[in-house]
Amino acid sequence: GENVEQHPSTLSVQEGDSAVIKCTYSDSASNYFPWYKQELGKRPQLIIDIRSNVGEKKDQRIAVTLNKTAKHFSLHITETQPEDSAVYFCAASGAGTALIFGKGTTLSVSS
Amino acid sequence: DVKVTQSSRYLVKRTGEKVFLECVQDMDHENMFWYRQDPGLGLRLIYFSYDVKMKEKGDIPEGYSVSREKKERFSLILESASTNQTSMYLCASLPGLNTEAFFGQGTRLTVV
Repeated sequence: GENVEQHPSTLSVQEGDSAVIKCTYSDSASNYFPWYKQELGKRPQLIIDIRSNVGEKKDQRIAVTLNKTAKHFSLHITETQPEDSAVYFCAASGAGTALIFGKGTTLSVSS
Repeated sequence: DVKVTQSSRYLVKRTGEKVFLECVQDMDHENMFWYRQDPGLGLRLIYFSYDVKMKEKGDIPEGYSVSREKKERFSLILESASTNQTSMYLCASLPGLNTEAFFGQGTRLTVV
């Protein structure tokens, strides 16, 4: 089955810096790669996703890149703000397969 | 707005008890999932369902079973609760495969 590895497990940045979280997946048939943000005590919520026919997607300060050959995708957050502090999860799924998550990255943004 | 509701926010059960966790969604979604969330381990898939009366094992199904008698409801059953099943349980509902997952608020289960 699919296996998703996520790094780093914790990330601390200063407000205004950029943050990058990286994930690798094992199943070459996976074709959907979402990112979820979970604030303390709340449920995970989708922040951005990318499909395998696209190499990069951007939404304001957030971008995701996908390298299908390397089976690698990354989340980029620019101009970080304290409200970006949360746990971020990457995930992968394919045709007929369930959504499998990475172990999460705790991002701390200090002002 | 999609609403995914889990029956309890907090539960305390005794070892050996049979435990039912309920999840209801109001958007006629085909797909429903159960995950458990533990610190440092992320969200691990227990069971999922693509349709009524259908179920598939996830990565950690041991000690659990599920029931999906109606499209809107997906139940997770702990046949004989053990202390290593103390965890946060999250239900998710998806309109289709490879689409956004909508999560319930979670059930924090403590087995004593």
